[in-house]
Amino acid sequence: AQSVTQLDSQVPVFEEAPVELRCNYSSSVSVYLFWYVQYPNQGLQLLLKYLSGSTLVKGINGFEAEFNKSQTSFHLRKPSVHISDTAEYFCAAIIQGAQKLVFGQGTRLTINP
Amino acid sequence: EADIYQTPRYLVIGTGKKITLECSQTMGHDKMYWYQQDPGMELHLIHYSYGVNSTEKGDLSSESTVSRIRTEHFPLTLESARPSHTSQYLCASSDPGQGHTEAFFGQGTRLTVV
Repeated sequence: AQSVTQLDSQVPVFEEAPVELRCNYSSSVSVYLFWYVQYPNQGLQLLLKYLSGSTLVKGINGFEAEFNKSQTSFHLRKPSVHISDTAEYFCAAIIQGAQKLVFGQGTRLTINP
Repeated sequence: EADIYQTPRYLVIGTGKKITLECSQTMGHDKMYWYQQDPGMELHLIHYSYGVNSTEKGDLSSESTVSRIRTEHFPLTLESARPSHTSQYLCASSDPGQGHTEAFFGQGTRLTVV
């Protein structure tokens, strides 16, 4: 069964430090992969997505993610975070041909000044 | 900015009451979804729809029901609310032009049943 696992429930970092939020998926077929961000009391906003092609995907707000098929990972990175990046981050996946967007458990990113 | 709206944003209601959470989108998307978000943040798909007159159960069993009489409207109903229904409910729709690979979310309805 397909699942998405986010390895860290909370990640505290200092402002201007780099950050990596980890995501692994379990599937033996091709998948589409996504990262969403949820600011307090808001819905989810798409940060970036991987459908095919280059394994390094750039998104909004300076975030990027790398698709690694051999490690079934899609980790999210930002070289220098800002206070405004404080939010919940969700990794998600759709198996090609399937109908459902499945989410990981979420990672709470907290930026300390 | 996505045009998908949920009302109400917040609802506190007594046990046993019937409630309907509204979701509307103006993008002409055929697929729509309801997710339940636990206090611990994880999202679970509870209902989805391929289009008018189509409704399907999601991965998480839910006592709620949905209807899809119009493309733009996908309301969720609880016939008799219970404290266990306390959660955040997120509605989404996806764009067929993008192969349904991008979902747009409403701001959510935070439901508290007392």
